[in-house]
Amino acid sequence: AQTVTQSQPEMSVQEAETVTLSCTYDTSESDYYLFWYKQPPSRQMILVIRQEAYKQQNATENRFSVNFQKAAKSFSLKISDSQLGDAAMYFCAYRSHEQGGSEKLVFGKGTKLTVNP
Amino acid sequence: DTEVTQTPKHLVMGMTNKKSLKCEQHMGHRAMYWYKQKAKKPPELMFVYSYEKLSINESVPSRFSPECPNSSLLNLHLHALQPEDSALYLCASSQDATGDYYGYTFGSGTRLTVV
Repeated sequence: AQTVTQSQPEMSVQEAETVTLSCTYDTSESDYYLFWYKQPPSRQMILVIRQEAYKQQNATENRFSVNFQKAAKSFSLKISDSQLGDAAMYFCAYRSHEQGGSEKLVFGKGTKLTVNP
Repeated sequence: DTEVTQTPKHLVMGMTNKKSLKCEQHMGHRAMYWYKQKAKKPPELMFVYSYEKLSINESVPSRFSPECPNSSLLNLHLHALQPEDSALYLCASSQDATGDYYGYTFGSGTRLTVV
């Protein structure tokens, strides 16, 4: 079974600075998707960025980028020019294929990001 | 419409009550999910419906009963719940495995309190 590990329960960053959130995963699959989701206090899970395992290029979305190291099974999220609105719980997730073609997301335990003004 | 809509947003129910949570999406997604999330924890999968058929049931107690009337609707029927069932219940949907995959779209959840 796939597992996702986020080793940093909490992180903090100064506004306008850069922060990196860590995520490692374990899988025997060769083709898969990885995601970072953000959950602010409003509680809705919002997709931040996704990475397809077969793509070498690291995904970027504006101020958000990932460092995907497939051999090391590492998928870290870098937030540049941090803003107060970035404060949230961040979950790393792996898309797992089940028998019969069903799928589910396997989540890490989350990293709570605080942005200090 | 790029949203997953969940109703109600908040629900307080007694242990003898019967209630239902509703989830709706109009994005043409063919897979829908119920997750349970306790405070400061990641979401835990409860049920997966794929093409309106239950495809994953993660050994959830029978006091939770899912229903998928059509490809746009997903209900979660609640009966005789326990206080420990108090949590945020998240619905999500995703397209099937054709073309590019963009992950789940989540609703904003129903905050359930069992008294």
